Formats: sequence, C-alpha cells, structure tokens
Amino acid sequence: GAVVSQHPSRVICKSGTSVKIECRSLDFQATTMFWYRQFPKKSLMLMATSNEGSKATYEQGVEKDKFLINHASLTLSTLTVTSAHPEDSSFYICSARDGRVWDEQYFGPGTRLTVT
Amino acid sequence: DQQVKQNSPSLSVQEGRISILNCDYTNSMFDYFLWYKKYPAEGPTFLISISSIKDKNEDGRFTVFLNKSAKHLSLHIVPSQPGDSAVYFCAARITGANSKLTFGKGITLSVRP
Repeated sequence: GAVVSQHPSRVICKSGTSVKIECRSLDFQATTMFWYRQFPKKSLMLMATSNEGSKATYEQGVEKDKFLINHASLTLSTLTVTSAHPEDSSFYICSARDGRVWDEQYFGPGTRLTVT
Repeated sequence: DQQVKQNSPSLSVQEGRISILNCDYTNSMFDYFLWYKKYPAEGPTFLISISSIKDKNEDGRFTVFLNKSAKHLSLHIVPSQPGDSAVYFCAARITGANSKLTFGKGITLSVRP
C-alpha cells in the first residue's frame, strides 16, 4: 500500500522557538495533503488542507500565521509551528491523498511535539 | 458540533467473540464512510469503507453495516483477536469535497485473551 512518512517522529522544543514537521508521500504523488492534530483521548481534528502549489485552506479556529503550511512539491508538505507554546504540545498527523486510487487518504505515523 | 459520533469510548470483548463498534452521523450529505485503526503514537491505518449506495461491505473478519435512514453504521469484527486491540475511528466524507474527512472521537477496543 501507499506509504507516507513524517519527520521527526518526536520533537521537544522550548517555548518561543519554531518547529518544522515534514510529511512525505514515498511511492505516490500527493496532490492534496491534510494536517491533523490529536489531543489525548480526542478525535483527530483537521487543521488544514494543502494542495500542491497553492495556499493551504485552514479550518475555522486554526491560526494560519502560527501553523505555516507549505506544499511545494507533489511528495512533500511541511507544517511549521511558529513561536511554540506549551499548549501547542500535541500529536500531529499528516495524510496524503492519491487521486489515482479511488480518492483514498494515507496517514503518516504522526509527530509528537512537546513544548517545554 | 460533532457530526460523527462514537458514543461509547471503550469496548472489551473476549477473544473469539464478536466486537461491534458503533458510529452515528448527523450530516445527511456524507456519502462515504471509513473505519480506521490506530495504535498509540502511530497514524491511523485504513481498515474498511462503505459507500452510501451500499448497506454492507465485508473484508475478511471485518464487516461494516450502514443504515442510512438511521444515520448509523457499525463495524463488526469476528472472531476478535488480541491483536485487534486498538482505537477505532469512524470517519465520513462528502465525495468531491476535497476528500476532507470528519472523524469521530474513537473507541478503544480491548480483546481479552
């Protein structure tokens, strides 16, 4: 099946710094990638949808200046958490859509961000 | 407003028995439903799906039933195995709406040996 990777898998950073998370589709071209956030014992909350070569579409309540998304190629999207705060600590998951395969989404393994 | 609801947070069953995981939705525009399995600190993995034009889809030990009039779907796992212990998410989408998925909160399934 299709493989999506995320890097890093786990990151600890200090308050005020920025962190970049990468999402790559390894064996298919992803025209669309999605970024989710999961709080403990909560659902996956869609943060934004990014289409290759265009600006991301953010869900209501998600600060686009804080969570910068870049989808510069068909296999890579990045999420940058700027000026991170402890409340940004969470599990961030990306997914990628392979339009050739009946519109399926494939999820990455997630990135655990801890802001101290 | 929770459009996809998984009202039971957890379920425990004996190995070999049937596991039934329920999911309800409120948006009648949803026309495609998916179940994902998730282990801690990992991303969800696709399990099985069903289109709104069907009422049943089966894949090995996994069967999903859809009752459109009740806006209800369920995932049946039989026989349940200890390796099935995980969090199961129900998700729904509107075809064409950029594939955006709406997830429920998940159900933690524990299969006792």
